[in-house]
Amino acid sequence: EADIYQTPRYLVIGTGKKITLECSQTMGHDKMYWYQQDPGMELHLIHYSYGVNSTEKGDLSSESTVSRIRTEHFPLTLESARPSHTSQYLCAISNAWGSDEQFFGPGTRLTVL
Amino acid sequence: KNQVEQSPQSLIILEGKNCTLQCNYTVSPFSNLRWYKQDTGRGPVSLTIMTFSENTKSNGRYTATLDADTKQSSLHITASQLSDSASYICVVTDRGSTLGRLYFGRGTQLTVWP
Repeated sequence: EADIYQTPRYLVIGTGKKITLECSQTMGHDKMYWYQQDPGMELHLIHYSYGVNSTEKGDLSSESTVSRIRTEHFPLTLESARPSHTSQYLCAISNAWGSDEQFFGPGTRLTVL
Repeated sequence: KNQVEQSPQSLIILEGKNCTLQCNYTVSPFSNLRWYKQDTGRGPVSLTIMTFSENTKSNGRYTATLDADTKQSSLHITASQLSDSASYICVVTDRGSTLGRLYFGRGTQLTVWP
């Protein structure tokens, strides 16, 4: 099991608030990913990073932004949360030089009122 | 269009029974196919991985099959346990992209009753 952590695990917040979802890993893997998952639906890639100072948008358009200043951290930020942002957010990592298997964190369940 | 379709959408079985979950995909070029188990409120965990040349692979009570010609895979669970209750997600990797693009199915929600 990969050492990948996400905080908070659950967050209920009001509309208009700025939030940051944390993702950290101790594996030293270069590739990191953020997925959004609604109940009963498939995971959608919203952001990914190949390494420090590398960030790209995924397939699903998202109003969130990410940063990769350090290998271990890949935080996701919403400047102004809206009810449409209510979802589960999953962070994943993979080893750029080995298997393409992605290891997932436990997720953050975000509810915007 | 690259897609991954899973069936059934949900399944309820009694403890101790066997079940089979299906996955059809159109992803091309194909690299590999994984089955993930996702417990409620948790991230997915990989159960098996199958490449183009592999027909079957087992991991304990889980056995996955792959027919690369028909682009179908199945996950067979033997002697189900209450802890098998989860969503089972089929994920196909696209060999054609440097990102190693993953295509996710919507999952089969399995509930095992005592």
